[in-house]
Amino acid sequence: GENVEQHPSTLSVQEGDSAVIKCTYSDSASNYFPWYKQELGKRPQLIIDIRSNVGEKKDQRIAVTLNKTAKHFSLHITETQPEDSAVYFCAANGGGTASKLTFGTGTRLQVTL
Amino acid sequence: KAGVTQTPRYLIKTRGQQVTLSCSPISGHRSVSWYQQTPGQGLQFLFEYFSETQRNKGNFPGRFSGRQFSNSRSEMNVSTLELGDSALYLCASSKGSGSGNTIYFGEGSWLTVV
Repeated sequence: GENVEQHPSTLSVQEGDSAVIKCTYSDSASNYFPWYKQELGKRPQLIIDIRSNVGEKKDQRIAVTLNKTAKHFSLHITETQPEDSAVYFCAANGGGTASKLTFGTGTRLQVTL
Repeated sequence: KAGVTQTPRYLIKTRGQQVTLSCSPISGHRSVSWYQQTPGQGLQFLFEYFSETQRNKGNFPGRFSGRQFSNSRSEMNVSTLELGDSALYLCASSKGSGSGNTIYFGEGSWLTVV
Protein backbone atom coordinates (compact mmCIF):
# COMPACT_ATOMS: atom_id res chain seq x y z
CA GLY A 1 0.00 0.00 0.00
CA GLU A 2 0.84 3.66 -0.04
CA ASN A 3 3.30 5.12 2.44
CA VAL A 4 3.62 8.87 3.00
CA GLU A 5 6.48 10.45 4.89
CA GLN A 6 6.30 14.06 6.06
CA HIS A 7 9.02 16.42 7.29
CA PRO A 8 9.64 18.27 9.47
CA SER A 9 7.49 17.18 12.38
CA THR A 10 7.71 20.66 13.92
CA LEU A 11 8.47 23.98 12.32
CA SER A 12 8.82 27.37 13.94
CA VAL A 13 8.99 30.50 11.81
CA GLN A 14 8.71 34.20 12.46
CA GLU A 15 5.70 36.09 11.23
CA GLY A 16 6.23 37.14 7.65
CA ASP A 17 8.70 34.38 6.86
CA SER A 18 8.00 31.44 4.56
CA ALA A 19 7.33 27.87 5.65
CA VAL A 20 7.95 24.74 3.61
CA ILE A 21 6.69 21.27 4.43
CA LYS A 22 7.80 18.29 2.40
CA CYS A 23 6.25 14.89 1.74
CA THR A 24 7.28 11.81 -0.16
CA TYR A 25 5.05 8.99 -1.29
CA SER A 26 5.78 5.44 -2.37
CA ASP A 27 3.00 4.40 -4.75
CA SER A 28 3.62 5.68 -8.26
CA ALA A 29 -0.09 5.16 -8.96
CA SER A 30 -1.02 8.00 -6.58
CA ASN A 31 -2.64 10.80 -8.52
CA TYR A 32 -4.24 13.03 -5.88
CA PHE A 33 -2.37 14.95 -3.17
CA PRO A 34 -4.35 17.12 -0.75
CA TRP A 35 -3.10 19.17 2.16
CA TYR A 36 -5.13 19.65 5.32
CA LYS A 37 -4.79 22.13 8.17
CA GLN A 38 -5.98 21.06 11.59
CA GLU A 39 -6.30 23.46 14.49
CA LEU A 40 -6.41 22.13 18.02
CA GLY A 41 -9.65 20.27 18.70
CA LYS A 42 -11.00 20.88 15.22
CA ARG A 43 -11.49 18.92 12.04
CA PRO A 44 -8.91 18.76 9.24
CA GLN A 45 -9.69 21.43 6.66
CA LEU A 46 -8.60 21.16 3.06
CA ILE A 47 -6.35 24.09 2.18
CA ILE A 48 -5.09 23.06 -1.24
CA ASP A 49 -4.80 19.96 -3.40
CA ILE A 50 -3.00 18.96 -6.56
CA ARG A 51 -3.51 16.24 -9.09
CA SER A 52 -0.80 14.38 -10.95
CA ASN A 53 -1.37 16.15 -14.24
CA VAL A 54 -0.24 19.44 -12.68
CA GLY A 55 3.22 20.37 -11.38
CA GLU A 56 2.29 23.39 -9.30
CA LYS A 57 -0.79 25.08 -7.92
CA LYS A 58 -1.12 28.34 -6.05
CA ASP A 59 -3.85 29.93 -3.97
CA GLN A 60 -2.92 33.31 -2.55
CA ARG A 61 -0.18 32.70 0.06
CA ILE A 62 -0.27 28.92 -0.33
CA ALA A 63 1.32 26.86 -3.07
CA VAL A 64 1.91 23.18 -3.66
CA THR A 65 4.48 21.61 -5.96
CA LEU A 66 4.57 18.05 -7.21
CA ASN A 67 7.53 16.12 -8.61
CA LYS A 68 6.13 12.82 -9.89
CA THR A 69 9.51 11.47 -10.89
CA ALA A 70 10.95 11.89 -7.42
CA LYS A 71 7.58 11.20 -5.73
CA HIS A 72 7.84 14.41 -3.76
CA PHE A 73 5.29 17.10 -3.06
CA SER A 74 5.65 20.20 -0.95
CA LEU A 75 3.54 22.88 0.69
CA HIS A 76 4.79 26.44 0.63
CA ILE A 77 3.26 29.16 2.80
CA THR A 78 4.52 32.69 2.23
CA GLU A 79 4.14 35.73 4.48
CA THR A 80 3.14 33.56 7.41
CA GLN A 81 0.70 34.92 9.98
CA PRO A 82 -0.06 33.79 13.55
CA GLU A 83 -3.34 32.26 12.36
CA ASP A 84 -1.32 29.88 10.16
CA SER A 85 -0.22 28.12 13.36
CA ALA A 86 -1.71 24.61 13.23
CA VAL A 87 -0.86 21.02 12.31
CA TYR A 88 -0.58 20.41 8.59
CA PHE A 89 -1.09 17.00 7.00
CA CYS A 90 -0.20 15.86 3.52
CA ALA A 91 -1.90 12.87 1.94
CA ALA A 92 -1.87 10.68 -1.15
CA ASN A 93 -4.55 8.43 -2.56
CA GLY A 94 -2.49 5.44 -3.67
CA GLY A 95 -4.00 5.60 -7.15
CA GLY A 96 -7.39 4.78 -5.78
CA THR A 97 -10.34 6.94 -4.96
CA ALA A 98 -10.03 10.42 -3.50
CA SER A 99 -11.55 9.06 -0.31
CA LYS A 100 -8.93 6.44 0.54
CA LEU A 101 -6.13 8.70 1.62
CA THR A 102 -2.86 7.80 3.30
CA PHE A 103 -1.77 10.67 5.51
CA GLY A 104 1.62 11.87 6.58
CA THR A 105 2.36 12.16 10.28
CA GLY A 106 1.76 15.89 10.38
CA THR A 107 3.82 19.04 10.84
CA ARG A 108 3.17 21.34 13.74
CA LEU A 109 3.73 24.88 12.46
CA GLN A 110 4.25 27.65 14.98
CA VAL A 111 4.32 31.21 13.71
CA THR A 112 5.87 33.53 16.28
CA LEU A 113 5.51 37.29 16.47
CA LYS B 1 -24.81 24.66 2.61
CA ALA B 2 -24.44 22.47 5.68
CA GLY B 3 -21.19 20.61 6.12
CA VAL B 4 -20.60 17.03 7.18
CA THR B 5 -22.47 16.40 10.43
CA GLN B 6 -21.40 13.81 12.96
CA THR B 7 -23.16 12.64 16.08
CA PRO B 8 -22.51 12.26 18.90
CA ARG B 9 -19.60 14.67 19.28
CA TYR B 10 -18.34 13.22 22.54
CA LEU B 11 -18.92 9.92 24.24
CA ILE B 12 -17.44 7.70 26.91
CA LYS B 13 -17.79 3.95 26.79
CA THR B 14 -16.58 1.05 28.86
CA ARG B 15 -14.32 -1.73 27.59
CA GLY B 16 -16.34 -4.50 26.01
CA GLN B 17 -19.25 -2.28 25.04
CA GLN B 18 -20.13 -1.37 21.50
CA VAL B 19 -20.66 2.05 19.95
CA THR B 20 -22.41 3.43 16.88
CA LEU B 21 -21.40 6.73 15.31
CA SER B 22 -23.47 8.57 12.77
CA CYS B 23 -22.56 10.78 9.82
CA SER B 24 -24.66 12.92 7.50
CA PRO B 25 -22.74 13.95 4.38
CA ILE B 26 -22.90 17.26 2.59
CA SER B 27 -26.10 17.47 0.57
CA GLY B 28 -25.55 15.86 -2.83
CA HIS B 29 -22.50 13.90 -1.72
CA ARG B 30 -22.80 10.17 -2.22
CA SER B 31 -19.45 8.96 -0.95
CA VAL B 32 -18.74 8.68 2.77
CA SER B 33 -15.46 7.60 4.28
CA TRP B 34 -14.36 7.14 7.87
CA TYR B 35 -11.00 7.80 9.48
CA GLN B 36 -9.56 7.22 12.92
CA GLN B 37 -7.21 9.80 14.39
CA THR B 38 -4.98 9.05 17.37
CA PRO B 39 -1.81 10.74 18.65
CA GLY B 40 0.17 7.56 18.10
CA GLN B 41 -1.09 6.33 14.74
CA GLY B 42 -2.20 9.59 13.16
CA LEU B 43 -4.99 9.65 10.61
CA GLN B 44 -5.90 6.19 9.33
CA PHE B 45 -8.48 5.18 6.76
CA LEU B 46 -11.20 2.85 8.01
CA PHE B 47 -13.58 2.37 5.08
CA GLU B 48 -15.46 4.09 2.28
CA TYR B 49 -19.07 3.69 1.20
CA PHE B 50 -20.65 4.74 -2.06
CA SER B 51 -24.23 4.01 -3.06
CA GLU B 52 -24.68 1.82 0.00
CA THR B 53 -21.73 -0.39 -0.97
CA GLN B 54 -18.38 -0.61 0.77
CA ARG B 55 -15.80 0.43 -1.82
CA ASN B 56 -12.60 0.30 0.18
CA LYS B 57 -11.48 -0.94 3.55
CA GLY B 58 -8.45 -0.10 5.65
CA ASN B 59 -6.42 -2.36 7.89
CA PHE B 60 -8.68 -2.53 10.90
CA PRO B 61 -10.07 -5.62 12.65
CA GLY B 62 -13.56 -6.89 11.95
CA ARG B 63 -14.79 -5.20 15.14
CA PHE B 64 -14.99 -2.06 13.03
CA SER B 65 -17.88 -2.06 10.60
CA GLY B 66 -20.02 0.42 8.78
CA ARG B 67 -22.97 0.87 6.52
CA GLN B 68 -24.56 3.48 4.32
CA PHE B 69 -28.22 4.18 3.82
CA SER B 70 -30.10 5.12 0.68
CA ASN B 71 -30.00 8.80 1.68
CA SER B 72 -26.16 8.55 1.84
CA ARG B 73 -26.10 8.87 5.61
CA SER B 74 -23.62 6.48 7.18
CA GLU B 75 -22.98 4.78 10.47
CA MET B 76 -19.95 3.04 11.82
CA ASN B 77 -19.95 0.53 14.63
CA VAL B 78 -17.20 -0.67 16.89
CA SER B 79 -17.93 -3.78 18.90
CA THR B 80 -16.14 -5.13 21.96
CA LEU B 81 -14.41 -1.82 22.62
CA GLU B 82 -10.78 -1.79 23.71
CA LEU B 83 -8.87 1.00 25.42
CA GLY B 84 -6.90 1.51 22.21
CA ASP B 85 -10.08 2.42 20.35
CA SER B 86 -10.09 5.77 22.13
CA ALA B 87 -9.74 8.22 19.27
CA LEU B 88 -11.29 10.94 17.20
CA TYR B 89 -13.43 9.31 14.51
CA LEU B 90 -13.77 11.49 11.45
CA CYS B 91 -16.31 11.14 8.70
CA ALA B 92 -15.66 12.67 5.30
CA SER B 93 -17.86 13.05 2.26
CA SER B 94 -17.38 13.69 -1.44
CA LYS B 95 -19.65 13.94 -4.44
CA GLY B 96 -18.34 10.80 -6.06
CA SER B 97 -15.91 8.03 -5.42
CA GLY B 98 -13.32 8.69 -8.11
CA SER B 99 -9.91 10.25 -7.68
CA GLY B 100 -11.14 13.53 -9.15
CA ASN B 101 -13.23 14.26 -6.10
CA THR B 102 -12.40 16.28 -3.01
CA ILE B 103 -13.27 15.05 0.46
CA TYR B 104 -14.49 17.24 3.31
CA PHE B 105 -14.28 16.24 6.93
CA GLY B 106 -16.84 16.56 9.67
CA GLU B 107 -15.99 17.77 13.16
CA GLY B 108 -15.57 14.22 14.38
CA SER B 109 -16.76 12.09 17.25
CA TRP B 110 -14.46 11.92 20.25
CA LEU B 111 -14.62 8.43 21.74
CA THR B 112 -13.07 7.64 25.10
CA VAL B 113 -12.98 4.02 26.22
CA VAL B 114 -12.45 3.48 29.95
